[in-house]
Amino acid sequence: GQSLEQPSEVTAVEGAIVQMNCTYQTSGFYGLSWYQQHDGGAPTFLSYNALDGLEETGRFSSFLSRSDSYGYLLLQELQMKDSASYFCAVMDSSYKLIFGSGTRLLVRP
Amino acid sequence: DSGVTQTPKHLITATGQRVTLRCSPRSGDLSVYWYQQSLDQGLQFLIHYYNGEERAKGNILERFSAQQFPDLHSELNLSSLELGDSALYFCASNVGDGTNYEQYFGPGTRLTVT
Repeated sequence: GQSLEQPSEVTAVEGAIVQMNCTYQTSGFYGLSWYQQHDGGAPTFLSYNALDGLEETGRFSSFLSRSDSYGYLLLQELQMKDSASYFCAVMDSSYKLIFGSGTRLLVRP
Repeated sequence: DSGVTQTPKHLITATGQRVTLRCSPRSGDLSVYWYQQSLDQGLQFLIHYYNGEERAKGNILERFSAQQFPDLHSELNLSSLELGDSALYFCASNVGDGTNYEQYFGPGTRLTVT
């Protein structure tokens, strides 16, 4: 079967760094994406890793280890507006995007 | 604003009824994807169309069907509605034929079945 595991909730303080993990088991793998979704809003694309290593985009970084079927999203200099749900998603062998159930991030002042 | 539009924004209907959700992709995008998001859940992939042709199906119920028209807009038809069909329905689009991992989501249609 196909499954993606994410912690359900993470709490962090404004200005801090937070890491949100994702482990996956899918039939075929082309890459790992991350999406952000604020309450009541639409998901928005954050990053994509096709190869092992770290990709950085401003305050956001995403890491992938294909051998471990593991990735994470790192947010630095947390701001209150970063409070949202973060979903990892795998593009499988049939080019379907399979989403995890998401991690709800709560940023406290 | 992603450039993807969905109508209606909200829909309330009774069990057993049929509804149609509409999606217009971003200008230039050929692929349209439909997702269902139940309360506090992830997004469940339903179906993908590319340039009018069905490309991939997820766990879409037989009561659900979709199509993509020549002008590239898409409609998702839900029939014999049940309480469990209450959810947010998103469509997304991108330029590619499914290999593009970056999808642009519309604002969603919130369906409530009573």
